[in-house]
Amino acid sequence: EDKVVQSPLSLVVHEGDTVTLNCSYEVTNFRSLLWYKQEKKAPTFLFMLTSSGIEKKSGRLSSILDKKELFSILNITATQTGDSAIYLCAGSSNTGKLIFGQGTTLQVKP
Amino acid sequence: KAGVTQTPRYLIKTRGQQVTLSCSPISGHRSVSWYQQTPGQGLQFLFEYFSETQRNKGNFPGRFSGRQFSNSRSEMNVSTLELGDSALYLCASSLVAVGSAEQFFGPGTRLTVL
Repeated sequence: EDKVVQSPLSLVVHEGDTVTLNCSYEVTNFRSLLWYKQEKKAPTFLFMLTSSGIEKKSGRLSSILDKKELFSILNITATQTGDSAIYLCAGSSNTGKLIFGQGTTLQVKP
Repeated sequence: KAGVTQTPRYLIKTRGQQVTLSCSPISGHRSVSWYQQTPGQGLQFLFEYFSETQRNKGNFPGRFSGRQFSNSRSEMNVSTLELGDSALYLCASSLVAVGSAEQFFGPGTRLTVL
């Protein structure tokens, strides 16, 4: 059965810290790995990764995919209180299915 | 450009009733996916429609169904509601098929079943 597992499930850090969120996946006919940020509303897209070893970067956030080991990481450097949210990763199949992990709840304290 | 819209935003129903939720994707987007989000199960994939065809379906009972119209708007129907169907129902649209491009989520419909 397809599954996506995220770790840790929750994390509390202080402003300025660097965090690494993990996502492992087992998805049949895998197409891509996606990261989303969810605050008190609908998820917003962060990254889509399809190729191994190519880092995607957006400001203080970056992500990379390892298709051999079936995992991805999301890094956030110099965290800010506005980074507090649930971070979701999802694996997509080429048949149109998107499997989400449980999410990592990140709290950044001032 | 208008975002993904969902109606209604909130809904209260009783067990045994049925409900229809609506989703209007971003103009030009052909793929619409539906998800159920609950505190216990997280975000779970219901189904994806692309060009009026259901491409894939998650592990939900047949009480959950959907359709997509020629203008890409989509509806989701849940029949014989159960207490466990209380959840936030999200739809998302993308230009092409799921997983090939960024998905944009709507604000969701909060369904409460009493």
